[in-house]
Amino acid sequence: DQQVKQNSPSLSVQEGRISILNCDYTNSMFDYFLWYKKYPAEGPTFLISISSIKDKNEDGRFTVFLNKSAKHLSLHIVPSQPGDSAVYFCAASLADSWGKLQFGAGTQVVVTP
Amino acid sequence: SQTIHQWPATLVQPVGSPLSLECTVEGTSNPNLYWYRQAAGRGLQLLFYSVGIGQISSEVPQNLSASRPQDRQFILSSKKLLLSDSGFYLCAWGDSTNSPLHFGNGTRLTVT
Repeated sequence: DQQVKQNSPSLSVQEGRISILNCDYTNSMFDYFLWYKKYPAEGPTFLISISSIKDKNEDGRFTVFLNKSAKHLSLHIVPSQPGDSAVYFCAASLADSWGKLQFGAGTQVVVTP
Repeated sequence: SQTIHQWPATLVQPVGSPLSLECTVEGTSNPNLYWYRQAAGRGLQLLFYSVGIGQISSEVPQNLSASRPQDRQFILSSKKLLLSDSGFYLCAWGDSTNSPLHFGNGTRLTVT
């Protein structure tokens, strides 16, 4: 039973434009949400996170939005750069189970010149 | 700074053979340690976690086991591999606060 879902396996975006990655979850008890970025042959690296008490968190070109009523979060990358080409994973955890993350299947982002 | 090492990077093993994957962390003490697996086309799934030496919690029933013989060493093992054990295995560490997990570069295991 997959509690975190990324329904778009791939996304192609032009350099300089906005990339929007989406993630849906089913467990309303999730307390913390994270986005990880993964290059081939490397482990995932942390990108940005958001607590369930917030609806937006921004870090440079990356912004994560959380809509708890819809059980939906999204990652915006503005502007997109070629180095952003990677697989992006959405993850969620419960308040008392930090580190025990539920991951989505990932979205492959390709940024074209 | 903290670093995490995983080896080997790739491994091809026949069905029924044993497995031992090792993970070590440097630059921190008493980390929480995790083994995750990514099967083809799926997200990462937590297999085991450990909050201290000798303390192992299993998240899913499976053909694998984990051990933590030292504070910063985490080992994933199997006595007899199955085809379904193929996947990308990732070790991660975190501290006891709400900070993100840090992952190693993973081991690509193919069971033939």
